[in-house]
Amino acid sequence: EDQVTQSPEALRLQEGESSSLNCSYTVSGLRGLFWYRQDPGKGPEFLFTLYSAGEEKEKERLKATLTKKESFLHITAPKPEDSATYLCAVRTDSWGKLQFGAGTQVVVTP
Amino acid sequence: DTGVSQDPRHKITKRGQNVTFRCDPISEHNRLYWYRQTLGQGPEFLTYFQNEAQLEKSRLLSDRFSAERPKGSFSTLEIQRTEQGDSAMYLCASSTTDRVDTEAFFGQGTRLTVV
Repeated sequence: EDQVTQSPEALRLQEGESSSLNCSYTVSGLRGLFWYRQDPGKGPEFLFTLYSAGEEKEKERLKATLTKKESFLHITAPKPEDSATYLCAVRTDSWGKLQFGAGTQVVVTP
Repeated sequence: DTGVSQDPRHKITKRGQNVTFRCDPISEHNRLYWYRQTLGQGPEFLTYFQNEAQLEKSRLLSDRFSAERPKGSFSTLEIQRTEQGDSAMYLCASSTTDRVDTEAFFGQGTRLTVV
């Protein structure tokens, strides 16, 4: 059975304190790994798609990387507005259905 | 393009009542998904449409749940005889088959509370 596990469950950072979030996956055939950001009471907001091991993508203070077993979301010099829950999801079929992890709740304090 | 739109944003209903939610996808998107999210968890897949055809339903989607997408445009999700366990955020997402990099875009969700 496909599994997606995110760690840590919660992360509290000082402004400027860089850190990484982990998403480990066990799937039968990966057709894409997705990172989303979710603010309280809102829907997930798309950040990145990664397709193959070694791939990296960046957006502002965020950088996502992918290996054969896990993905990392690096947050460099975070600001309070980076506070959110970060969700990782995998796609294993051709129809685009996503299987999500439980998310990592990030709080960045000034 | 205003993104994926969901209505209502919040719904409080009594146990046993029926509720219906609406989703308007991004206009050129032919794929539409429904997910359910409970507190502290990631979204869980419920069902998927390509144009007007419902192509997959999760085992989570009991007989009390029904979804439609007439004419391949907006979609509705109906829950009959609601139970307290149905309380959750119901999310709609859409994507297109026209590009290889087909990420799904989510709406803001409908928060259902069954009392």
